Amino acid sequence: NAGVTQTPKFRVLKTGQSMTLLCAQDMNHEYMYWYRQDPGMGLRLIHYSVGEGTTAKGEVPDGYNVSRLKKQNFLLGLESAAPSQTSVYFCASSYSGVYYGYTFGSGTRLTVV
Amino acid sequence: KQEVTQIPAALSVPEGENLVLNCSFTDSAIYNLQWFRQDPGKGLTSLLLIQSSQREQTSGRLNASLDKSSGRSTLYIAASQPGDSATYLCAVDTGANSKLTFGKGITLSVRP
Repeated sequence: NAGVTQTPKFRVLKTGQSMTLLCAQDMNHEYMYWYRQDPGMGLRLIHYSVGEGTTAKGEVPDGYNVSRLKKQNFLLGLESAAPSQTSVYFCASSYSGVYYGYTFGSGTRLTVV
Repeated sequence: KQEVTQIPAALSVPEGENLVLNCSFTDSAIYNLQWFRQDPGKGLTSLLLIQSSQREQTSGRLNASLDKSSGRSTLYIAASQPGDSATYLCAVDTGANSKLTFGKGITLSVRP
């Protein structure tokens, strides 16, 4: 059981470069989420999706874009990376409704220099 | 706006001790509360999920309780072991598209 898979696991970018983080889940979950985790700030929601073809902004969406073209994949894009986007990024998924918990990926550690 | 607080930020105990980790939230209108464990450099592992209609959930040496009216949850760890050393996070789901609001976590160290 793969669960939630994130690629890549590590990445170093130069300021101004772009990249895409991929999240894939094989549990047929409707809901998918992107969080960032920073020291002293906890986990903060960037964007989320409640189904294929839908996306919505979370708490800290600026500088990021997302797409959910297939139900099993949720992509997070950085168009012009900034040092403030240095963080650990986590993807999570869940069944729809409030009776189910989250499953998290193992994270992507991104450094922008 | 929902706020989740976990105090203290760090805790160190000797092996074998029973311990309680606290979580408080400001808005009692939650659908569920979830406890996670995070090892250094790793992702989050779900430990226990408590629905709003439930008072507690148990898994092995772990017991989580929920008091919605007072905005509190506790995670009880029995007979702690060095392998329990990790950061424990609680998160609440207010039902708005099941977005979770997280506490900042409690970093637990269990000394042999």
